[in-house]
Amino acid sequence: SQQGEEDPQALSIQEGENATMNCSYKTSINNLQWYRQNSGRGLVHLILIRSNEREKHSGRLRVTLDTSKKSSSLLITASRAADTASYFCATVLNVQGAQKLVFGQGTRLTINP
Amino acid sequence: DGGITQSPKYLFRKEGQNVTLSCEQNLNHDAMYWYRQDPGQGLRLIYYSQIVNDFQKGDIAEGYSVSREKKESFPLTVTSAQKNPTAFYLCASSIKTGSHLNEQFFGPGTRLTVL
Repeated sequence: SQQGEEDPQALSIQEGENATMNCSYKTSINNLQWYRQNSGRGLVHLILIRSNEREKHSGRLRVTLDTSKKSSSLLITASRAADTASYFCATVLNVQGAQKLVFGQGTRLTINP
Repeated sequence: DGGITQSPKYLFRKEGQNVTLSCEQNLNHDAMYWYRQDPGQGLRLIYYSQIVNDFQKGDIAEGYSVSREKKESFPLTVTSAQKNPTAFYLCASSIKTGSHLNEQFFGPGTRLTVL
């Protein structure tokens, strides 16, 4: 199964509401990253949170990390139609001395006007 | 899409043909990556390169090949050995520092369809 798994798989809310997406992972991490992908486009990095951090903010985005529960959440406040996208968490996996980023399957967020 | 370009945006291939997807970056990044994305799914790592003239297989390397002759370029060849190549292909790059992976910058992607 995937290292990072997002929940829910799909989320539909009204514009102005807050959206919360969760990510769970299995192994210890150095950092966890959140990305956004608009339909048919590449991914855009949103926030990187390190394992010794518990919360991080960037504009309307708030990310939390609970290493004891191996979980992270992404909160988007005061959602806008332009926030409609898929959101992915990604964790670092050590493989034979090299490190690679492992992505979850994503949460598809739809903001209804 | 930062300083990474991918071409072409759309690519059609007949069965049995090899095709090469281009990825170029002007960010002076050491590390480059190729991912495959199927509809409604996350990204799966095909190949990655941490330095020029060196690359490693990812999780789904079978049927693919890469080269890294220049720092700026990391082309991906989809060979006829790849049985189900229809997918969205994403290239990314990152600064390689110490033991922590930094954020990755993605290109706009190439959508490959096998006819």
